[in-house]
Amino acid sequence: DAGVIQSPRHEVTEMGQEVTLRCKPISGHNSLFWYRQTMMRGLELLIYFNNNVPIDDSGMPEDRFSAKMPNASFSTLKIQPSEPRDSAVYFCASSLYQGDNEQFFGPGTRLTVL
Amino acid sequence: SQQGEEDPQALSIQEGENATMNCSYKTSINNLQWYRQNSGRGLVHLILIRSNEREKHSGRLRVTLDTSKKSSSLLITASRAADTASYFCATPQGGSEKLVFGKGTKLTVNP
Repeated sequence: DAGVIQSPRHEVTEMGQEVTLRCKPISGHNSLFWYRQTMMRGLELLIYFNNNVPIDDSGMPEDRFSAKMPNASFSTLKIQPSEPRDSAVYFCASSLYQGDNEQFFGPGTRLTVL
Repeated sequence: SQQGEEDPQALSIQEGENATMNCSYKTSINNLQWYRQNSGRGLVHLILIRSNEREKHSGRLRVTLDTSKKSSSLLITASRAADTASYFCATPQGGSEKLVFGKGTKLTVNP
């Protein structure tokens, strides 16, 4: 089992550029979560999907952020345009929701916006 | 909104000692989970305790849950340098799949 796969692992970009983060959940899992982690704010849930449908995007900071899940094995988180305050580690997690919801995290993407 | 809050924020102990971390939460829950995060890595699920359980063990881990006090504790016995990591508690928000994480306890185990 490969676990949750995220790419890229590190991204350095300049302010104003578009950034796309990618995630492949564990096969068979029906829920996918995008988190952002910073020293100041800790781990924040941005959005989550169940069966490829966005269920709660209340954590998405603003319209510059968007997420898609076109199929059960792939999701993207896009930031356009990026700003320095978006610098953080972005995690993707997946779970097989059956009442209890243990989540399996990917290794994260460290984003630096200059 | 922040649901779980860990205490202490940081803990430094010697190898072989026990480490205890606490978590307080605000609303009713059906389960509480503990996760570990090694530096530069993703979170790893350690243990889940349901609201009708008071104590649970997994290897050197012991978790307690007191729903009347809305608190939980994680005890790591006979700590090892490899236990050095941040530990987070997480609780479901409402009846949804959303987990709300605390800010974590940073544990350092000195060899």
